[in-house]
Amino acid sequence: DAGITQSPRHKVTETGTPVTLRCHQTENHRYMYWYRQDPGHGLRLIHYSYGVKDTDKGEVSDGYSVSRSKTEDFLLTLESATSSQTSVYFCAISEAAGNQPQHFGDGTRLSIL
Amino acid sequence: DAKTTQPNSMESNEEEPVHLPCNHSTISGTDYIHWYRQLPSQGPEYVIHGLTSNVNNRMASLAIAEDRKSSTLILHRATLRDAAVYYCILNSGYSTLTFGKGTMLLVSP
Repeated sequence: DAGITQSPRHKVTETGTPVTLRCHQTENHRYMYWYRQDPGHGLRLIHYSYGVKDTDKGEVSDGYSVSRSKTEDFLLTLESATSSQTSVYFCAISEAAGNQPQHFGDGTRLSIL
Repeated sequence: DAKTTQPNSMESNEEEPVHLPCNHSTISGTDYIHWYRQLPSQGPEYVIHGLTSNVNNRMASLAIAEDRKSSTLILHRATLRDAAVYYCILNSGYSTLTFGKGTMLLVSP
């Protein structure tokens, strides 16, 4: 299995608080991704990174920011969490662009009350 | 992005072959066909991908129609562990994937 660790695995917090989710990989893959998964919507891409300090927006990036200061870590931040951001968040990695497989972490279940 | 159409759900019996169809009539010449699956309470898992020729790996086989407008993921002997949502995705060479709703495969003992 690809070495991907998401933390925390579960979090409950209140509306308006900042939240940071961490994705850590041990594969030295260049690309990293954050997705969210909600009932009725499937997986949707939030942001992705194609190298250290190189990031781009995905389909549902509003309300989220990301940072990648080193190859192994990709952080997803909700500056001021809202109830609509309650979701399961998945991190993924891939070796290169295009048609390389993506490998996913086990997810973070985030509840915002 | 070119879209795919999959049945919402399919049922199979354990130890029988399963053929999961995917239609992609607007596929372009550079689109690869990818399959992922997601078991309950887990992240998606890569299964297989191909461009024109049929592909085999330890998990499954991918049969691609000659006109590339459809493809079929074949699980040769379904097990209970294969019960999952299966996603057929087209990728034109960019790094991101667009997931649809997929096919929920139910496997009965």
